[in-house]
Amino acid sequence: AQSVAQPEDQVNVAEGNPLTVKCTYSVSGNPYLFWYVQYPNRGLQFLLKYITGDNLVKGSYGFEAEFNKSQTSFHLKKPSALVSDSALYFCAAAFSNTGKLIFGQGTTLQVKP
Amino acid sequence: DTGVSQDPRHKITKRGQNVTFRCDPISEHNRLYWYRQTLGQGPEFLTYFQNEAQLEKSRLLSDRFSAERPKGSFSTLEIQRTEQGDSAMYLCASSLGGGGAFYEQYFGPGTRLTVT
Repeated sequence: AQSVAQPEDQVNVAEGNPLTVKCTYSVSGNPYLFWYVQYPNRGLQFLLKYITGDNLVKGSYGFEAEFNKSQTSFHLKKPSALVSDSALYFCAAAFSNTGKLIFGQGTTLQVKP
Repeated sequence: DTGVSQDPRHKITKRGQNVTFRCDPISEHNRLYWYRQTLGQGPEFLTYFQNEAQLEKSRLLSDRFSAERPKGSFSTLEIQRTEQGDSAMYLCASSLGGGGAFYEQYFGPGTRLTVT
């Protein structure tokens, strides 16, 4: 079955330090990969996507993600974390022409001052 | 604000009652999706429309659930004879789509349903 996994329920990082939120996928064929962020009482906000091309994709708010086909991973990264980055992050994949998304279970990012 | 709106934002209902939610997508988006999110989990796909046609339904969508998008614009999701297990956040998203291209989905704020 197609699936997306986020192995860490929570990631803690100090403000100013680099952050990584991990995502792996299991799929046959080429996936299309997305990262979304969810703030309390807010809807999911799109951060970035990988469709094809350069394995390093850049997105909103200074976030970037690296697609690694051999490791079936799509980790979210930011060189310098901000306290305001604290939120719930979801990795998602679309596997068919429908565009429907399969989400990971989410990772809570806590950035401490 | 992503431009996708949902109404109501919160709904409390008693078991056995029917409820209906509305989603207004971004106007130029031809695709509309419904997802359900329970606490501590990622959203799960329920169904999607391309224009007014409902093209796919998840096995999660029991016979008590029905969705429509009558004119290819707004959509409604109805749950009949609600059960406590239906308590969740119902998310709507819209996107461009078709022609083999992949576009990001923009999500509304969700409707939180509580069945008592």
